[in-house]
Amino acid sequence: DGGITQSPKYLFRKEGQNVTLSCEQNLNHDAMYWYRQDPGQGLRLIYYSQIVNDFQKGDIAEGYSVSREKKESFPLTVTSAQKNPTAFYLCASRQVGYGNTEAFFGQGTRLTVV
Amino acid sequence: SQKIEQNSEALNIQEGKTATLTCNYTNYSPAYLQWYRQDPGRGPVFLLLIRENEKEKRKERLKVTFDTTLKQSLFHITASQPADSATYLCALGNTGGFKTIFGAGTRLFVKA
Repeated sequence: DGGITQSPKYLFRKEGQNVTLSCEQNLNHDAMYWYRQDPGQGLRLIYYSQIVNDFQKGDIAEGYSVSREKKESFPLTVTSAQKNPTAFYLCASRQVGYGNTEAFFGQGTRLTVV
Repeated sequence: SQKIEQNSEALNIQEGKTATLTCNYTNYSPAYLQWYRQDPGRGPVFLLLIRENEKEKRKERLKVTFDTTLKQSLFHITASQPADSATYLCALGNTGGFKTIFGAGTRLFVKA
């Protein structure tokens, strides 16, 4: 089955620790995205990538880093510089091109600082 | 700055009635508008897309309207069912653009 997979579902981070969230898609989509969702707020864009080996900062990139070494993979690292990382993180992919196709989302990773 | 507003208060309706959710936006001229459904602890799922030159779109029990003058979209679920209970997100984007802006969503509860 085609889809987008995030792991782990739940993640706990200690203060000062870096953690990496995985996102893999087998939809052959060019574009991939990372969003953060907090209660009562819309999805906020962290980073996005249109093609392999290229990515751009979104609206709240500080304290996060990404890589796009393969078309199907777009991992997100939450660094110790991110002061308030507790949130629900969503990865999405989309086909590029005219038609404004919809975004396909993973099931999310809930990150908690302990 | 660009802003999307959806009712932050939950909408409670009786089964069989029509649910109507509102999405308003400012400082933006979107080429299209999308509606997504999100269940607790899960990622959003795409429902419908409507383009700027379309007034209305239907899919089964769902209907979306798009008024670019009022800068508003209405999302209707007819003959609502308890299984329709979820959070519904509105999203805007531009042609060829890679960034989609999402609203915070409206929580819908359908009582049997």
